[in-house]
Amino acid sequence: QQPVQSPQAVILREGEDAVINCSSSKALYSVHWYRQKHGEAPIFLMILLKGGEQKGHDKISASFNEKKQQSSLYLTASQLSYSGTYFCGTEGTGAQKLVFGQGTRLTINP
Amino acid sequence: KAGVTQTPRYLIKTRGQQVTLSCSPISGHRSVSWYQQTPGQGLQFLFEYFSETQRNKGNFPGRFSGRQFSNSRSEMNVSTLELGDSALYLCASSLEGPSYEQYFGPGTRLTVT
Repeated sequence: QQPVQSPQAVILREGEDAVINCSSSKALYSVHWYRQKHGEAPIFLMILLKGGEQKGHDKISASFNEKKQQSSLYLTASQLSYSGTYFCGTEGTGAQKLVFGQGTRLTINP
Repeated sequence: KAGVTQTPRYLIKTRGQQVTLSCSPISGHRSVSWYQQTPGQGLQFLFEYFSETQRNKGNFPGRFSGRQFSNSRSEMNVSTLELGDSALYLCASSLEGPSYEQYFGPGTRLTVT
């Protein structure tokens, strides 16, 4: 079952923060986050495995609440290069497949 | 290290024809997954292969099939093409499967007329 992402779209000014949420109705083993720019392939950002850990690099971080089957992606002090569509991909326990959300379109304006 | 390559990059076919798309994963990666991307449906999972075995399949009709070779290269085939099959087909490779980071290829843009 497809995870639900929110919001569907967000527009920010450079330097502002954003949070993108991903929610699933199934028990999850892992959550992935990818960014796709127009006309390009999705690029891996991070993966969170069952255990509720938080990960991050540079100004992008994510959390995974396995009890609620929810993950959030945090982008702080956004840069123009952060623009794109963000997808979460969820892997159910024993599923051997990633199911992606509908995506969140992020636009960063100067 | 070379990235994931997909061929061809663009394809135009007529309804009723069949098509074969190819994906070469990153060296050392044994898992290949295929996705269909359309503006209305987003990224839809087609199937995943690991060591020449299909481990999972998405909700697509039997016209969509795939295989993986001993060198981990993978192909997907769509028979009896329909207009609705027009999409960007992406493959992604990873070391062992969906629990690992996925590296996507540039995709094959299929247009069915």
